Amino acid sequence: AQKVTQAQTEISVVEKEDVTLDCVYETRDTTYYLFWYKQPPSGELVFLIRRNSFDEQNEISGRYSWNFQKSTSSFNFTITASQVVDSAVYFCALIGTNTGNQFYFGTGTSLTVIP
Amino acid sequence: DAGVTQSPTHLIKTRGQHVTLRCSPISGHKSVSWYQQVLGQGPQFIFQYYEKEERGRGNFPDRFSARQFPNYSSELNVNALLLGDSALYLCASSLGEVWGGYTFGSGTRLTVV
Repeated sequence: AQKVTQAQTEISVVEKEDVTLDCVYETRDTTYYLFWYKQPPSGELVFLIRRNSFDEQNEISGRYSWNFQKSTSSFNFTITASQVVDSAVYFCALIGTNTGNQFYFGTGTSLTVIP
Repeated sequence: DAGVTQSPTHLIKTRGQHVTLRCSPISGHKSVSWYQQVLGQGPQFIFQYYEKEERGRGNFPDRFSARQFPNYSSELNVNALLLGDSALYLCASSLGEVWGGYTFGSGTRLTVV
């Protein structure tokens, strides 16, 4: 079975603070992909990152960074120096190669950045 | 290139009615997937179509059906609408049947009253 858990339902931070969004996953597939998507109020899911199960190297893209740890089945997302434009709902998702035709999404974390 | 386009953007229907939602994939993409996102939840997989054939189905009742046309556009049909069908319906397209880079549309927000 595939499952993604985002325990943080809502987070509020003051602008310029750093914030980490947690994601824990379960899968029996040996090969899988993990994703983060941003969903602004308009509804569109905006792709942020994809990571495959063989690549545990952390990644940084501007103010965004991701920490993938297979040992703890976690794929956490950190925003450094948050901005008001970062306010959105963030989803962590999983695709397993044995079920490669569907995403399994977490329930999302709603991030509010207060100016 | 245009992204994934969905129509209509918003829709209000009455319980018991039928609804058809439409999706046009990115040019060259042969796979279309449908997801239902109820308020406060993550998207849930409904269907995937590839080369006009159903390749996957999520845990949804038979009231939900879909099809894909020769130009790879797709329709999602829901019969006998229930209040619980109120949701954002997202379409995603990709090149291949399995992971090949999915792009999501902005969705159709369906309200059943």
